[in-house]
Amino acid sequence: GGIITQTPKFLIGQEGQKLTLKCQQNFNHDTMYWYRQDSGKGLRLIYYSITENDLQKGDLSEGYDASREKKSSFSLTVTSAQKNEMAVFLCASSPGGPVAETLYFGSGTRLTVL
Amino acid sequence: AQKVIQVWSTTSRQEGEKLTLDCSYKTSQVLYHLFWYKHLLSGEMVLLIRQMPSTIAIERSGRYSVVFQKSRKSISLVISTLQPDDSGKYFCALWELLLSGSFNKLTFGAGTRLAVCP
Repeated sequence: GGIITQTPKFLIGQEGQKLTLKCQQNFNHDTMYWYRQDSGKGLRLIYYSITENDLQKGDLSEGYDASREKKSSFSLTVTSAQKNEMAVFLCASSPGGPVAETLYFGSGTRLTVL
Repeated sequence: AQKVIQVWSTTSRQEGEKLTLDCSYKTSQVLYHLFWYKHLLSGEMVLLIRQMPSTIAIERSGRYSVVFQKSRKSISLVISTLQPDDSGKYFCALWELLLSGSFNKLTFGAGTRLAVCP
């Protein structure tokens, strides 16, 4: 088995701040993902990466940057936090390349913007 | 248009009851898989069930089963003998094999939040 570790667990920021969320996995999976979960909505894909140094935009990439410098880590940057924003950001990984299916998730980072 | 539809956003039950969570989906692909995930209060997202074309994989042992009606494009998660620990948010997800060469990704429903009262 493996584990996905997301840091920090809770993130509180100010409007306009640049905030970075980190994710590490030891499954040796090729593909990693960042999802955002808002209350009442399904998970929405922000960015994904098929392999080291690869970045692909998801459905919600505007306002975010991502970085995959190593196979085991995938970071997400909120480029300018929006006031009163509250969401849970979930990192995930999967073994397959472009035919990825079963995802394994981290425990999430809860973002609150004051 | 939503591809994965979970009608109930929240529900509550008493301990010991049986619960069915409904999910319907839309796809024109021949090959697809369906998943049920549970989002724990701790933030962790846990895979419960993976439904493939002709087989089902129960990833988490316990009181989970599914009712899969392919012709109706419906997959329901059944949890028997509810316990307070079953509280959480349950997501249905669809993975489609796209032959166009574009990346195949999961599409999630909006989730159903379950509260189980002792």
